[in-house]
Amino acid sequence: AQSVTQLGSHVSVSEGALVLLRCNYSSSVPPYLFWYVQYPNQGLQLLLKYTSAATLVKGINGFEAEFKKSETSFHLTKPSAHMSDAAEYFCAVSANYGNNRLAFGKGNQVVVIP
Amino acid sequence: DGGITQSPKYLFRKEGQNVTLSCEQNLNHDAMYWYRQDPGQGLRLIYYSQIVNDFQKGDIAEGYSVSREKKESFPLTVTSAQKNPTAFYLCASRTLSGANVLTFGAGSRLTVL
Repeated sequence: AQSVTQLGSHVSVSEGALVLLRCNYSSSVPPYLFWYVQYPNQGLQLLLKYTSAATLVKGINGFEAEFKKSETSFHLTKPSAHMSDAAEYFCAVSANYGNNRLAFGKGNQVVVIP
Repeated sequence: DGGITQSPKYLFRKEGQNVTLSCEQNLNHDAMYWYRQDPGQGLRLIYYSQIVNDFQKGDIAEGYSVSREKKESFPLTVTSAQKNPTAFYLCASRTLSGANVLTFGAGSRLTVL
């Protein structure tokens, strides 16, 4: 079975500062990894995904994530935070074959301080 | 535009009543999912279906029921047996090929009075 750990339910970042959200996964098989973003009272929107191609993945809105197998991590970064980045962010993992249900982390609520 | 439509957006229910949340997709996706979201707990899978007339329980199926009579539709019924139904409910879908990317609806917020 796959699982994801996201530490720190709330993350505060100053406008213009680096955004770093940590995600560590557990998977007994090669994984697919995802980051989703959710704005208040809306559904989730895909930010980026890793599917065993390039380990550095670029997504929408200036976000990127790096797959590190040795560290079982898939941390999300953005060099300069914008007020519009205030949202909840979820990391998710699935196996890359078979019964590939997604397992979600508990999420990080990002607050951007002007 | 293709997408997933969930209705109603907000729903209030008295204790002891069953309610049904609608989920319709026009993406021609094979698989559909229902998740429950509570603050600080992430998304938990209630039920999913990969083909018409077939569905499987997820991690928290007790007190819920679903049907999949059409490829486009996957309604969720929250029954009176669900002890704590107040939550935000999200429907999602995907194709069965490719990289397992889910497309989500905008959600339905259920409040039990």
